[in-house]
Amino acid sequence: DTAVSQTPKYLVTQMGNDKSIKCEQNLGHDTMYWYKQDSKKFLKIMFSYNNKELIINETVPNRFSPKSPDKAHLNLHINSLELGDSAVYFCASSQELAGGLAKNIQYFGAGTRLSVL
Amino acid sequence: GEDVEQSLFLSVREGDSSVINCTYTDSSSTYLYWYKQEPGAGLQLLTYIFSNMDMKQDQRLTVLLNKKDKHLSLRIADTQTGDSAIYFCAVFSGGYQKVTFGIGTKLQVIP
Repeated sequence: DTAVSQTPKYLVTQMGNDKSIKCEQNLGHDTMYWYKQDSKKFLKIMFSYNNKELIINETVPNRFSPKSPDKAHLNLHINSLELGDSAVYFCASSQELAGGLAKNIQYFGAGTRLSVL
Repeated sequence: GEDVEQSLFLSVREGDSSVINCTYTDSSSTYLYWYKQEPGAGLQLLTYIFSNMDMKQDQRLTVLLNKKDKHLSLRIADTQTGDSAIYFCAVFSGGYQKVTFGIGTKLQVIP
């Protein structure tokens, strides 16, 4: 069973469209993340949710809106897509251990390659 | 915030050892990780080290941590072509309560 699954794997769309990427984890983790990896492979965190609450929101255009219906899902909705949004988007999850000992080992999905034409 | 730096590229011959280096800035960093990304895939955890350790060995992998210099390294012994990938250093900072990733080092193994 895939631990962190993202859909779709590939997404090709026109500028100006609105699109969503879905992410689900079956690991029972409390925290989920969205990362953007550009063509140079730089990995940048976008958002982090803990138990459905936003805890990290880096400098990201407000065209990007994460939605967490429950702690196993974190979807990413993007409005008015631009050419610069083309990248690979990774979802990840982690579990903070009890007693304050946080290993924060993150488990990544396989990525969604978004191409904006 | 925390800065994590790595060199972009490393090329080695098959059978040689590879050493990938990483430096970080936050002295309150507690857990330090190495992730591997193969082409077309997500990142996978290779190994991690806790800040009270100097060294951790796991088969062909050796992690060295120099807390004084805030320097982390990953040594891969007997490097194989299957080790060709991008290796990301990541640091959990207690001060910032988040994991920061480096830019990734692309390891190329020449047969």
